[in-house]
Amino acid sequence: GNSVTQMEGPVTLSEEAFLTINCTYTATGYPSLFWYVQYPGEGLQLLLKATKADDKGSNKGFEATYRKETTSFHLEKGSVQVSDSAVYFCALSDRGTNAGKSTFGDGTTLTVKP
Amino acid sequence: SAVISQKPSRDICQRGTSLTIQCQVDSQVTMMFWYRQQPGQSLTLIATANQGSEATYESGFVIDKFPISRPNLTFSTLTVSNMSPEDSSIYLCSVGDRAGNTIYFGEGSWLTVV
Repeated sequence: GNSVTQMEGPVTLSEEAFLTINCTYTATGYPSLFWYVQYPGEGLQLLLKATKADDKGSNKGFEATYRKETTSFHLEKGSVQVSDSAVYFCALSDRGTNAGKSTFGDGTTLTVKP
Repeated sequence: SAVISQKPSRDICQRGTSLTIQCQVDSQVTMMFWYRQQPGQSLTLIATANQGSEATYESGFVIDKFPISRPNLTFSTLTVSNMSPEDSSIYLCSVGDRAGNTIYFGEGSWLTVV
């Protein structure tokens, strides 16, 4: 079956530091890839997505590129802010007969200190 | 696009009771997905609900504990039966577009079992 592996956390950074959260996946077929963010006490929010190889998703300074050859979708941000402190989930979605069925990584907790 | 409404948004339940969560989509969809997010954890797929057939449950989830109905192409319910404190979670309903490129989540039903 499908699986998503995220780098183990938690991650603690100083403000303006560079962020990378690694994500690799295993899937049959050719999934769509997503990053979601969840702030404390809140629901899940879509951060960015990519639907085909070499696509780059971007939003709010975050970026991730769909790398089919390495089955990866690493999340990056050049300069993090305290307000970026949250839990980040990498996920994939099936296509075809199970279109929309999502598999999530375990999540990575990011804490940004001033 | 699709808009998903979930009810209830929050509830506090007594152990041993059952609660039914409703999920309404503003367009017809073939499959609807139910997820659980336990405190501090990631999202786990409970089951896939197809209209006109029995729901397909993931490993670790059984119909007696989480019965699902799917009476038409826009509506589904998930019942959490004989609840215990371990069932305290966020339960989410989700659908995807036909290509699996866009995933829509409800706001979630935040259940606390006391």
